[in-house]
Amino acid sequence: DAGITQSPRHKVTETGTPVTLRCHQTENHRYMYWYRQDPGHGLRLIHYSYGVKDTDKGEVSDGYSVSRSKTEDFLLTLESATSSQTSVYFCAISPGAGTGTGNSPLHFGNGTRLTVT
Amino acid sequence: DAKTTQPPSMDCAEGRAANLPCNHSTISGNEYVYWYRQIHSQGPQYIIHGLKNNETNEMASLIITEDRKSSTLILPHATLRDTAVYYCIVRVAAGGTSYGKLTFGQGTILTVHP
Repeated sequence: DAGITQSPRHKVTETGTPVTLRCHQTENHRYMYWYRQDPGHGLRLIHYSYGVKDTDKGEVSDGYSVSRSKTEDFLLTLESATSSQTSVYFCAISPGAGTGTGNSPLHFGNGTRLTVT
Repeated sequence: DAKTTQPPSMDCAEGRAANLPCNHSTISGNEYVYWYRQIHSQGPQYIIHGLKNNETNEMASLIITEDRKSSTLILPHATLRDTAVYYCIVRVAAGGTSYGKLTFGQGTILTVHP
């Protein structure tokens, strides 16, 4: 959807192991976001990026790091996975240039289902 | 960001219009109203957004009251594939620290039945 590919689509990992999720876009959009979705909590923002090597924290960033070395890729890393990080992770993108970005909709990928055992 | 209030669930007959209400009484002048939906196990899908004028696209219409304290999403001819969770979200325009952050509530579960 909207030129967004998340990989892997499903992953099972053990507590304490590092995990990296990838979001790849073909739209050349400036902004990229990582959300997680859990029952009873809806979607919550983890981190976002407003350009190559420019990132910022969202509301649930503890335990997560991100990197964006090129426009098309935004990586989410769990340095040491915990069971509380079992979730569905969604990447989103939005265009943006100058000051007109606040009303540009975000478009979401189809998610990565992560299970930490 | 302003909070929104939506009914937890609604039903609609196939082929009829689905009218989904949303209250956002604390909305600010620079905040947009966005609608997304999420079909089970898929990512949220953008539907429509507006500031103060009514908007229409190929998917839906958005009616915003004059005082902007509430809005209605209209799916003119609902189909079974429109069964989903619909989220009404208020989002600030560019420039604020919350820029880009869509805050999702619990949404309305719309069930379209034959």
